[in-house]
Amino acid sequence: AQSVTQPDIHITVSEGASLELRCNYSYGATPYLFWYVQSPGQGLQLLLKYFSGDTLVQGIKGFEAEFKRSQSSFNLRKPSVHWSDAAEYFCAVGALNNDMRFGAGTRLTVKP
Amino acid sequence: SQTIHQWPATLVQPVGSPLSLECTVEGTSNPNLYWYRQAAGRGLQLLFYSIGIGQISSEVPQNLSASRPQDRQFILSSKKLLLSDSGFYLCAWSASDRNEQFFGPGTRLTVL
Repeated sequence: AQSVTQPDIHITVSEGASLELRCNYSYGATPYLFWYVQSPGQGLQLLLKYFSGDTLVQGIKGFEAEFKRSQSSFNLRKPSVHWSDAAEYFCAVGALNNDMRFGAGTRLTVKP
Repeated sequence: SQTIHQWPATLVQPVGSPLSLECTVEGTSNPNLYWYRQAAGRGLQLLFYSIGIGQISSEVPQNLSASRPQDRQFILSSKKLLLSDSGFYLCAWSASDRNEQFFGPGTRLTVL
């Protein structure tokens, strides 16, 4: 079965600084990869997804992620963080049978 | 467009009482449906998923059960709640031929 590791439990960045959230996956075939964001007390919102093709994918809210097969990674990036980006971020890997596994999440704090 | 509803939004129940959480999806047919639990400060744990009416797969044995009485309705139940059942319960749906999941707003359950 597939699995996901998000090495950073909590990250703090200053507003306006760049952001990179790490995600490593384990899966024997080409994975379907996702990033979700969760504000406190809310459901999860899909930021972006990778199924195939261009390894750099663009998402909503100015986020992007790059799939690197050689490193089994799918890191999320944003060039300039806004205070409203403070939230919990989840990486997920899906398989052909619609089975999806989530990482433990990375909590992002944005300093003014 | 598709929407997913969950109710109630919050629930406080005594230990040993029954539970019924409801999830409904609008704007799509024959979706895959999922129940997740998110404990405080932790990631998502898949509890049940369903690919059709009356078809339920359980991921983790526990005192919870799920049912799908209609195509777009998914119910999470318990006969007797435990303290450890406290958490944030999320329902999600995906198209039967696609991998990305879309989440409801969640139900905050507190068992006292």
